[in-house]
Amino acid sequence: DTAVSQTPKYLVTQMGNDKSIKCEQNLGHDTMYWYKQDSKKFLKIMFSYNNKELIINETVPNRFSPKSPDKAHLNLHINSLELGDSAVYFCASSQVQGRQPQHFGDGTRLSIL
Amino acid sequence: LAKTTQPISMDSYEGQEVNITCSHNNIATNDYITWYQQFPSQGPRFIIQGYKTKVTNEVASLFIPADRKSSTLSLPRVSLSDTAVYYCLVGDMGGRRALTFGSGTRLQVQP
Repeated sequence: DTAVSQTPKYLVTQMGNDKSIKCEQNLGHDTMYWYKQDSKKFLKIMFSYNNKELIINETVPNRFSPKSPDKAHLNLHINSLELGDSAVYFCASSQVQGRQPQHFGDGTRLSIL
Repeated sequence: LAKTTQPISMDSYEGQEVNITCSHNNIATNDYITWYQQFPSQGPRFIIQGYKTKVTNEVASLFIPADRKSSTLSLPRVSLSDTAVYYCLVGDMGGRRALTFGSGTRLQVQP
């Protein structure tokens, strides 16, 4: 059973399009996160949700909007995609806000043409 | 936010012990130290976590000196499958501050 699953694994799209990445965790965790990993392998947090409440919102353009329908899901919607959005996006979850370990999905590689 | 500094890369041979050191000079009282391992095309995977002194589990040991300004991840008898990127992460227990993993240490294990 996959603990944290993301879909799609690969996403190739044109600049200016709107796309979504879905994330689901079956661990019963209260907190979910979105991270962005750039080409230099820096992994930086974007958002953190605890029981559907936004906790951390780092300096992310408002084109990025997380949506949490329930505590097992945290989807990432991106409007008006730009070339700089190309990266690998990881979803993660932890039992308690900020506590380790975090369990990561295998990432979604987003490529903007 | 406690910034971490790690070597960019390290090389080792199978069967050797590998020690990866992370500097975190401005670590705060409430911060604890966590290490993750990442293979290509996979998400990071938790290895070990500690606050002070020494922590050991089935895969690694974590050494933290009294001043907590650095930490060392020790991997005993590495194998080829330990080739990966290792990230040191410092975060507060409240979890309200953003976390950045940094660029990590790329460990290459040779036969």
